[in-house]
Amino acid sequence: EIVLTQSPATLSLSPGERATLSCRASQSADTYLAWYQQKPGQAPRLLIYDASYRATGIPARFSGSGSGTDFTLTISSLEPEDFAVYYCQQRSHWPPGFGGGTKVEIK
Amino acid sequence: QVQLVQSGAEVKKPGSSVKVSCKASGGTFSNYAITWVRQAPGQGLEWMGGIIPIFNRADFAERFQGRLTITADASTTTAYMDLTSLRSEDTAVYYCARTTYSGSYDYLESWGQGTLVTVSS
Repeated sequence: EIVLTQSPATLSLSPGERATLSCRASQSADTYLAWYQQKPGQAPRLLIYDASYRATGIPARFSGSGSGTDFTLTISSLEPEDFAVYYCQQRSHWPPGFGGGTKVEIK
Repeated sequence: QVQLVQSGAEVKKPGSSVKVSCKASGGTFSNYAITWVRQAPGQGLEWMGGIIPIFNRADFAERFQGRLTITADASTTTAYMDLTSLRSEDTAVYYCARTTYSGSYDYLESWGQGTLVTVSS
């Protein structure tokens, strides 16, 4: 079973700043990795799939990169609605599990 | 895009079981996996298992083997998650979600609204 470790646990930033979130896999996930955003009281929303492809309707300020064991989600300039918790998920190995999440909070 | 609507909140006693439904509308039902994910209060997401209706076979994360049943009814485009021998640690919001690609367990593109299951004596 692949373990996904996200860092940092919490990221304190101001609107307009750049956010860089990390997801590290315990073994190679190739490029089979997704990122989700979750706001309080809501279901998660798919942002990025296959490491670098934006899902339908996702703004261009969200980008994903990486392969193998190291992946990054970048938000180029934080908007007020981007403050949320972000999860990575792999589909390379069974079961297709999630990382522990990174909370992006307002500084 | 497919829409998923789940059944309402449940309160259960320890040792009992719970069955949550997930009704899909729009899009193709049978070719895509319906996956169940849960989230304990203040915690992260946990992948539980899923079913690809056209294959009529459910698959589970190991920790839920023997306690979790997942079924799907193509005639009503509804999937079900049945969790038995409930304990307090099973208190969580349970989500159903449909995958992006047909025929595999992959990324979760469409989500239900979530069903809160509370296990308490």
